[in-house]
Amino acid sequence: QKEVEQNSGPLSVPEGAIASLNCTYSDRGSQSFFWYRQYSGKSPELIMFIYSNGDKEDGRFTAQLNKASQYVSLLIRDSQPSDSATYLCAPRGTGRRALTFGSGTRLQVQP
Amino acid sequence: EPEVTQTPSHQVTQMGQEVILRCVPISNHLYFYWYRQILGQKVEFLVSFYNNEISEKSEIFDDQFSVERPDGSNFTLKIRSTKLEDSAMYFCASSEVRASTDTQYFGPGTRLTVL
Repeated sequence: QKEVEQNSGPLSVPEGAIASLNCTYSDRGSQSFFWYRQYSGKSPELIMFIYSNGDKEDGRFTAQLNKASQYVSLLIRDSQPSDSATYLCAPRGTGRRALTFGSGTRLQVQP
Repeated sequence: EPEVTQTPSHQVTQMGQEVILRCVPISNHLYFYWYRQILGQKVEFLVSFYNNEISEKSEIFDDQFSVERPDGSNFTLKIRSTKLEDSAMYFCASSEVRASTDTQYFGPGTRLTVL
């Protein structure tokens, strides 16, 4: 089982729609979960982090965490063409600082 | 807004040569990291550094790699004898010390090409 699994996509949504990105992880002790956005050829850029079960909202972004199911998701409301990028899920493992990145989901927002 | 900077943006070297990649972390951060991303693959952790010593490293970070904080602002990654498979983007990141605010912020990366 991979440490972090994401659907590689591409996930294609029309402009203004909700994009839903999902991630499962294998380390049950993971405490912190980070979502990064990566444009082609660029470095990862932090979108959101979440520590507690439930939802966390920040503008158009909502992260959802379910530790029992080892599942974290990112919802993007009112998707814009500028949101087109690869979204990386990165749990921080038990007792570690290192982030373990998934392969990412490529999102395409169609104008 | 404070940011992590990296130099050079692109480094071309011959196989077997030594390279040093440089990073200036965010000024009040005390944890530093190196990650790499081979073209088309995922971002992989190499090493973390705190209080002038390595705190964690991955299997990738073997004896050909070393890190150093030569002064109060720079953080470097040295690859002693580069191999073709070292060609990748290398990202430096930094974070605060407290676990509750240990969000890692990434620099723009150095593209290393080994010929």
